[in-house]
Amino acid sequence: DIQMTQSPSSLSASVGDRVTITCRASQSISSYLNWYQQKPGKAPKLLIYAASSLQSGVPSRFSGSGSGTDFTLTISSLQPEDFATYYCQQSYSTPSITFGQGTRLEIK
Amino acid sequence: EVQLLESGGGLVQPGGSLRLSCAASGFTFSSYAMSWVRQAPGKGLEWVSAISGSGGSTYYADSVKGRFTISRDNSKNTLYLQMNSLRAEDTAVYYCARQRITMVQGVLAVRVDVWGKGTTVTVSS
Repeated sequence: DIQMTQSPSSLSASVGDRVTITCRASQSISSYLNWYQQKPGKAPKLLIYAASSLQSGVPSRFSGSGSGTDFTLTISSLQPEDFATYYCQQSYSTPSITFGQGTRLEIK
Repeated sequence: EVQLLESGGGLVQPGGSLRLSCAASGFTFSSYAMSWVRQAPGKGLEWVSAISGSGGSTYYADSVKGRFTISRDNSKNTLYLQMNSLRAEDTAVYYCARQRITMVQGVLAVRVDVWGKGTTVTVSS
């Protein structure tokens, strides 16, 4: 099974900050990597797919990069509504997809 | 509007059974593979099962193989998850999820682009 490891597990930041979250796969997954945002009590929301493609309707302050085993999600200027938990997910071994453990982004 | 609405969750004793349903609307249901993804209290996301658009192919996580059965009725635009021999560790919010597949720069990009609101399953005596 492909394991996905996110870092950090939690992060404190301020409105306006630039934030980067990292996701590492246990083997090469090319660009088969997606990012989701989840707020408490809500379903996840797709942000980025295929490592760097922005989902329709998602603000351009969100961006993704990487290929192979190392990936990043960047939020260029944090907004109040961005405080949430973020998950990466590999689709290389579809239909058996796996998620990272999540990164909780909190207000400093 | 594209929507997925789960139902069927509840409290069940260990060893018991439950059937989850997911009603889809706003899109051509039979054109999409569908999945169930769960989230235990305070934990991360775990893929449970998937089914092709026609229903002819099904897939399961090792943790539920032999106990859960995924199915769909395309005439009713409904996805199901039959859960048998339930264990305490199956306690979670269960999300119905639509899989979108497109080619992106030579990569077959598979992602969950629509999620239901979830239904809660609690396995406890």
